[in-house]
Amino acid sequence: GQQVMQIPQYQHVQEGEDFTTYCNSSTTLSNIQWYKQRPGGHPVFLIQLVKSGEVKKQKRLTFQFGEAKKNSSLHITATQTTDVGTYFCAHRDNYGQNFVFGPGTRLSVLP
Amino acid sequence: DGGITQSPKYLFRKEGQNVTLSCEQNLNHDAMYWYRQDPGQGLRLIYYSQIVNDFQKGDIAEGYSVSREKKESFPLTVTSAQKNPTAFYLCASSIARPGQGKNIQYFGAGTRLSVL
Repeated sequence: GQQVMQIPQYQHVQEGEDFTTYCNSSTTLSNIQWYKQRPGGHPVFLIQLVKSGEVKKQKRLTFQFGEAKKNSSLHITATQTTDVGTYFCAHRDNYGQNFVFGPGTRLSVLP
Repeated sequence: DGGITQSPKYLFRKEGQNVTLSCEQNLNHDAMYWYRQDPGQGLRLIYYSQIVNDFQKGDIAEGYSVSREKKESFPLTVTSAQKNPTAFYLCASSIARPGQGKNIQYFGAGTRLSVL
């Protein structure tokens, strides 16, 4: 199947520092989605990217889809304590039936 | 309010007991999913259903069963055959096919299952 890997697994940053998580696939993806799960909560959809080289911004969050559509990144500028949580990348498989989730990157922000 | 409702929030299972987790959605989504999440881990797919009266096994279906008698409901039974059931269970729904609308998953708040 089209599994996706994420790095790093964990990241601890000081409040105000930047943070980036990467999502990688060995095969071309038709789309990539990002979800955020707060501690004790459930995953919540953040964004979807579908075009090669696409870049989207949501306030301090910047999402990028690679030119080859095999990788994606999520960058947070000047982290805040509200950014704490696990960030998952995911994509809908080629048959359009299932969503395949990466293992997630857990972000801790120290005040 | 439109969304997905999971109940109960917390559930305890005794040895040899079957327990059923409820998942109801009023988003008019055809597709529904069950995931298991262990502490500090990602999401693993247990079962999914693309349409009423039809469902397929995911990656870790052993020890679990589901039914899909109504579009709105997709209950998950954790059977006594599941020897390590302690986990956080998440139900999700989505449109069945891309092109029908927003192609994302909506999650319920989850059920935390523990073994007594």
